[in-house]
Amino acid sequence: DVKVTQSSRYLVKRTGEKVFLECVQDMDHENMFWYRQDPGLGLRLIYFSYDVKMKEKGDIPEGYSVSREKKERFSLILESASTNQTSMYLCASSLFTYEQYFGPGTRLTVT
Amino acid sequence: GIQVEQSPPDLILQEGANSTLRCNFSDSVNNLQWFHQNPWGQLINLFYIPSGTKQNGRLSATTVATERYSLLYISSSQTTDSGVYFCAVEVPSGTYKYIFGTGTRLKVLA
Repeated sequence: DVKVTQSSRYLVKRTGEKVFLECVQDMDHENMFWYRQDPGLGLRLIYFSYDVKMKEKGDIPEGYSVSREKKERFSLILESASTNQTSMYLCASSLFTYEQYFGPGTRLTVT
Repeated sequence: GIQVEQSPPDLILQEGANSTLRCNFSDSVNNLQWFHQNPWGQLINLFYIPSGTKQNGRLSATTVATERYSLLYISSSQTTDSGVYFCAVEVPSGTYKYIFGTGTRLKVLA
């Protein structure tokens, strides 16, 4: 079975802090994705990566950056957290154009 | 861009009832997935179904790509089926991007 893990289930940070969210997959998938989920807005793609050191902006990349130094790990970085980044963050991976598999999610609160 | 609409937005059922959830999309897509999001937020893969029909236990799904819709059938519903059901379509841009619908929130009463 594909396993996607995320570093924290719940996280509370202060405004202005630098925040790292980490995602690891164990199935040698090429593609990895970061989404945020907000009530009434569904899941929106922040960034994705189709290879090591490669990244593409999704629909809402502002205020975020990503890093993929190893194939199995994809990090989402909030350079200076703001209250409007309070959300559920979901990581996913896929093998080329096939189905996506999701991690358990990180519920981030910025105060 | 592609629009993905799901209906109904909310559904309440008695245990044992059957239901049909619908996903309409506005343009051609490469792939389509159905997910169930449980109360803890985990998205669980139900079906990877770009076309045709698949069945898995009490759940089945049909995608008619030429008419741009997919249906998810839940038979003999159980309280554990409660949660939000999402369909997601892959944009045919060569970038493996998926667009999600806004979901159907299902509550199954005992």
